[in-house]
Amino acid sequence: EVQLVESGGGLVQPGGSLRLSCTASGFTFSGYSMSWVRQAPGKGLEWISYINDGSTNMYYADSVKGRFTISRDDAEDSLLLQMSSLRAEDTAVYYCTRVLRDTIDYWGQGTLVTVSS
Amino acid sequence: QSALTQPASVSGSPGQSITISCTGTSSDVGSYKFVSWYQQYPGKAPKLMIYEGSKRPSGVSNRFSGSKSGNTASLTISGLQAEDEADYYCCSYAGSSTWVFGGGTKVTVL
Repeated sequence: EVQLVESGGGLVQPGGSLRLSCTASGFTFSGYSMSWVRQAPGKGLEWISYINDGSTNMYYADSVKGRFTISRDDAEDSLLLQMSSLRAEDTAVYYCTRVLRDTIDYWGQGTLVTVSS
Repeated sequence: QSALTQPASVSGSPGQSITISCTGTSSDVGSYKFVSWYQQYPGKAPKLMIYEGSKRPSGVSNRFSGSKSGNTASLTISGLQAEDEADYYCCSYAGSSTWVFGGGTKVTVL
Protein backbone atom coordinates (compact mmCIF):
# COMPACT_ATOMS: atom_id res chain seq x y z
CA GLU A 1 0.00 0.00 0.00
CA VAL A 2 1.35 3.40 -1.01
CA GLN A 3 1.78 5.70 1.98
CA LEU A 4 3.04 9.26 2.10
CA VAL A 5 3.43 10.86 5.53
CA GLU A 6 4.24 14.56 5.83
CA SER A 7 5.75 16.26 8.84
CA GLY A 8 7.33 19.56 9.78
CA GLY A 9 4.38 21.90 9.60
CA GLY A 10 3.62 24.46 12.26
CA LEU A 11 3.38 28.13 13.12
CA VAL A 12 6.08 30.43 11.72
CA GLN A 13 6.43 34.19 11.62
CA PRO A 14 6.36 36.12 8.34
CA GLY A 15 9.80 36.10 6.80
CA GLY A 16 10.70 32.89 8.57
CA SER A 17 11.69 29.47 7.29
CA LEU A 18 10.35 25.96 7.63
CA ARG A 19 11.34 22.55 6.29
CA LEU A 20 8.72 19.98 5.38
CA SER A 21 9.44 16.28 5.07
CA CYS A 22 7.53 13.44 3.50
CA THR A 23 8.34 9.80 4.17
CA ALA A 24 7.24 7.35 1.50
CA SER A 25 6.53 3.64 1.76
CA GLY A 26 4.81 0.91 -0.21
CA PHE A 27 6.59 1.64 -3.49
CA THR A 28 10.08 2.09 -4.87
CA PHE A 29 10.50 5.78 -4.03
CA SER A 30 13.64 6.30 -6.10
CA GLY A 31 11.79 5.32 -9.27
CA TYR A 32 9.12 7.99 -9.07
CA SER A 33 8.84 11.71 -9.59
CA MET A 34 7.23 13.61 -6.74
CA SER A 35 5.44 16.91 -6.20
CA TRP A 36 4.13 19.21 -3.51
CA VAL A 37 0.59 20.58 -3.71
CA ARG A 38 -0.92 23.00 -1.21
CA GLN A 39 -4.38 24.08 -0.18
CA ALA A 40 -5.06 27.33 1.64
CA PRO A 41 -7.84 27.18 4.26
CA GLY A 42 -11.19 26.93 2.50
CA LYS A 43 -9.57 27.26 -0.91
CA GLY A 44 -8.66 25.05 -3.84
CA LEU A 45 -5.58 23.03 -4.68
CA GLU A 46 -2.40 24.62 -6.00
CA TRP A 47 0.53 22.71 -7.48
CA ILE A 48 3.76 24.27 -6.24
CA SER A 49 6.78 22.09 -6.97
CA TYR A 50 8.07 18.98 -8.77
CA ILE A 51 11.21 16.87 -8.69
CA ASN A 52 11.95 13.98 -11.02
CA ASP A 53 13.46 10.64 -10.16
CA GLY A 54 17.16 11.23 -10.12
CA SER A 55 16.80 14.85 -8.95
CA THR A 56 17.95 16.28 -12.27
CA ASN A 57 14.86 18.42 -12.87
CA MET A 58 13.01 20.63 -10.40
CA TYR A 59 10.19 23.01 -11.22
CA TYR A 60 8.24 25.56 -9.21
CA ALA A 61 5.06 27.57 -9.45
CA ASP A 62 5.68 31.29 -9.87
CA SER A 63 4.12 31.87 -6.44
CA VAL A 64 7.00 30.10 -4.67
CA LYS A 65 9.88 30.35 -7.13
CA GLY A 66 13.03 31.65 -5.50
CA ARG A 67 11.71 31.03 -1.99
CA PHE A 68 11.05 27.28 -1.89
CA THR A 69 13.46 24.45 -2.70
CA ILE A 70 12.41 20.87 -3.37
CA SER A 71 14.79 17.98 -2.84
CA ARG A 72 14.77 14.28 -2.13
CA ASP A 73 16.78 11.70 -0.23
CA ASP A 74 16.31 8.39 -1.96
CA ALA A 75 18.33 6.57 0.69
CA GLU A 76 15.76 7.67 3.26
CA ASP A 77 12.72 7.47 0.93
CA SER A 78 12.08 11.12 1.74
CA LEU A 79 10.84 14.18 -0.11
CA LEU A 80 11.74 17.59 1.30
CA LEU A 81 10.52 21.15 0.86
CA GLN A 82 12.64 23.96 2.25
CA MET A 83 10.52 27.10 2.57
CA SER A 84 11.97 30.53 3.25
CA SER A 85 10.79 34.14 3.23
CA LEU A 86 7.38 32.85 4.21
CA ARG A 87 4.35 35.07 3.74
CA ALA A 88 0.84 35.01 5.16
CA GLU A 89 -0.42 33.75 1.80
CA ASP A 90 1.73 30.63 2.18
CA THR A 91 -0.58 29.49 4.98
CA ALA A 92 -1.97 26.17 3.76
CA VAL A 93 -2.05 22.43 4.13
CA TYR A 94 0.90 21.07 2.20
CA TYR A 95 0.48 17.70 0.51
CA CYS A 96 3.23 15.37 -0.65
CA THR A 97 2.18 13.65 -3.85
CA ARG A 98 3.48 10.97 -6.16
CA VAL A 99 3.60 11.50 -9.90
CA LEU A 100 3.02 8.67 -12.36
CA ARG A 101 3.13 9.36 -16.10
CA ASP A 102 2.26 13.03 -15.64
CA THR A 103 -0.61 12.24 -13.28
CA ILE A 104 -0.58 13.06 -9.57
CA ASP A 105 -1.85 9.75 -8.25
CA TYR A 106 -1.25 9.40 -4.51
CA TRP A 107 -1.46 12.04 -1.78
CA GLY A 108 -0.30 12.20 1.80
CA GLN A 109 -2.59 13.38 4.58
CA GLY A 110 -1.02 16.84 4.56
CA THR A 111 0.73 19.06 7.07
CA LEU A 112 -0.52 22.51 8.07
CA VAL A 113 1.76 25.51 7.76
CA THR A 114 0.54 28.72 9.39
CA VAL A 115 2.42 31.96 8.72
CA SER A 116 1.41 34.54 11.29
CA SER A 117 2.90 36.92 13.80
CA GLN B 1 -0.80 29.59 -15.13
CA SER B 2 -4.45 30.45 -14.47
CA ALA B 3 -6.64 27.98 -12.65
CA LEU B 4 -9.00 25.81 -14.67
CA THR B 5 -12.64 26.90 -14.48
CA GLN B 6 -15.15 24.70 -12.66
CA PRO B 7 -18.67 25.50 -11.43
CA ALA B 8 -18.65 26.30 -7.74
CA SER B 9 -21.44 23.87 -7.00
CA VAL B 10 -23.52 21.13 -8.59
CA SER B 11 -26.39 19.27 -6.98
CA GLY B 12 -28.59 16.33 -7.76
CA SER B 13 -30.99 13.87 -6.23
CA PRO B 14 -30.04 10.30 -5.38
CA GLY B 15 -30.00 8.15 -8.49
CA GLN B 16 -29.59 11.06 -10.86
CA SER B 17 -26.56 11.86 -12.99
CA ILE B 18 -24.56 15.05 -12.71
CA THR B 19 -21.74 16.45 -14.82
CA ILE B 20 -18.97 18.77 -13.71
CA SER B 21 -17.19 20.79 -16.36
CA CYS B 22 -13.57 21.90 -16.30
CA THR B 23 -12.49 24.51 -18.82
CA GLY B 24 -8.89 25.28 -19.54
CA THR B 25 -6.92 26.54 -22.50
CA SER B 26 -4.98 25.24 -25.46
CA SER B 27 -1.91 25.32 -23.21
CA ASP B 28 -3.23 22.76 -20.75
CA VAL B 29 -6.49 20.79 -21.17
CA GLY B 30 -6.48 21.26 -24.92
CA SER B 31 -2.91 20.08 -25.36
CA TYR B 32 -2.54 17.06 -23.11
CA LYS B 33 -4.40 13.84 -22.37
CA PHE B 34 -3.31 14.08 -18.73
CA VAL B 35 -6.50 15.43 -17.19
CA SER B 36 -7.35 13.98 -13.81
CA TRP B 37 -10.16 14.34 -11.31
CA TYR B 38 -9.96 14.16 -7.52
CA GLN B 39 -12.56 13.67 -4.81
CA GLN B 40 -11.97 15.38 -1.48
CA TYR B 41 -13.97 15.04 1.72
CA PRO B 42 -13.67 17.80 4.35
CA GLY B 43 -10.42 17.55 6.25
CA LYS B 44 -9.17 14.69 4.09
CA ALA B 45 -6.63 14.31 1.32
CA PRO B 46 -7.77 14.26 -2.29
CA LYS B 47 -8.28 10.88 -3.95
CA LEU B 48 -7.68 10.17 -7.63
CA MET B 49 -10.95 9.25 -9.37
CA ILE B 50 -10.14 9.67 -13.08
CA TYR B 51 -6.82 9.95 -14.90
CA GLU B 52 -5.81 10.51 -18.52
CA GLY B 53 -9.20 12.04 -19.10
CA SER B 54 -11.32 8.92 -18.86
CA LYS B 55 -9.48 6.11 -17.07
CA ARG B 56 -10.51 4.87 -13.64
CA PRO B 57 -8.00 3.64 -11.08
CA SER B 58 -8.60 0.24 -9.61
CA GLY B 59 -11.26 0.42 -6.91
CA VAL B 60 -13.05 3.51 -8.18
CA SER B 61 -16.73 2.95 -8.91
CA ASN B 62 -17.74 2.77 -12.56
CA ARG B 63 -20.39 5.37 -11.71
CA PHE B 64 -17.59 7.87 -12.26
CA SER B 65 -16.63 8.64 -15.84
CA GLY B 66 -14.58 11.29 -17.58
CA SER B 67 -14.35 12.81 -21.01
CA LYS B 68 -12.66 15.65 -22.83
CA SER B 69 -13.47 17.78 -25.83
CA GLY B 70 -11.18 20.56 -26.89
CA ASN B 71 -10.29 22.73 -23.93
CA THR B 72 -13.02 21.32 -21.70
CA ALA B 73 -12.99 18.16 -19.61
CA SER B 74 -15.98 16.71 -17.81
CA LEU B 75 -16.65 14.38 -14.91
CA THR B 76 -19.97 12.56 -14.78
CA ILE B 77 -21.30 10.84 -11.69
CA SER B 78 -24.17 8.52 -12.49
CA GLY B 79 -26.54 6.95 -10.00
CA LEU B 80 -25.71 9.69 -7.50
CA GLN B 81 -25.34 8.45 -3.91
CA ALA B 82 -25.11 10.23 -0.58
CA GLU B 83 -21.47 9.21 -0.27
CA ASP B 84 -20.66 11.17 -3.44
CA GLU B 85 -21.20 14.45 -1.59
CA ALA B 86 -17.73 15.98 -1.60
CA ASP B 87 -15.54 18.51 -3.36
CA TYR B 88 -14.22 17.58 -6.80
CA TYR B 89 -11.16 19.05 -8.46
CA CYS B 90 -9.94 18.72 -12.02
CA CYS B 91 -6.27 18.93 -12.83
CA SER B 92 -4.39 19.20 -16.10
CA TYR B 93 -0.77 18.71 -16.98
CA ALA B 94 0.45 22.02 -18.37
CA GLY B 95 3.82 21.06 -19.80
CA SER B 96 7.37 21.27 -18.41
CA SER B 97 6.39 19.17 -15.38
CA THR B 98 3.84 21.67 -14.13
CA TRP B 99 0.18 21.17 -13.32
CA VAL B 100 -2.85 23.40 -12.96
CA PHE B 101 -5.94 22.68 -10.87
CA GLY B 102 -9.52 23.82 -11.13
CA GLY B 103 -11.09 25.87 -8.38
CA GLY B 104 -13.15 22.92 -7.18
CA THR B 105 -16.83 21.98 -7.32
CA LYS B 106 -18.94 21.19 -4.30
CA VAL B 107 -21.33 18.33 -5.07
CA THR B 108 -24.47 18.24 -2.98
CA VAL B 109 -26.81 15.26 -2.90
CA LEU B 110 -30.29 16.61 -2.29
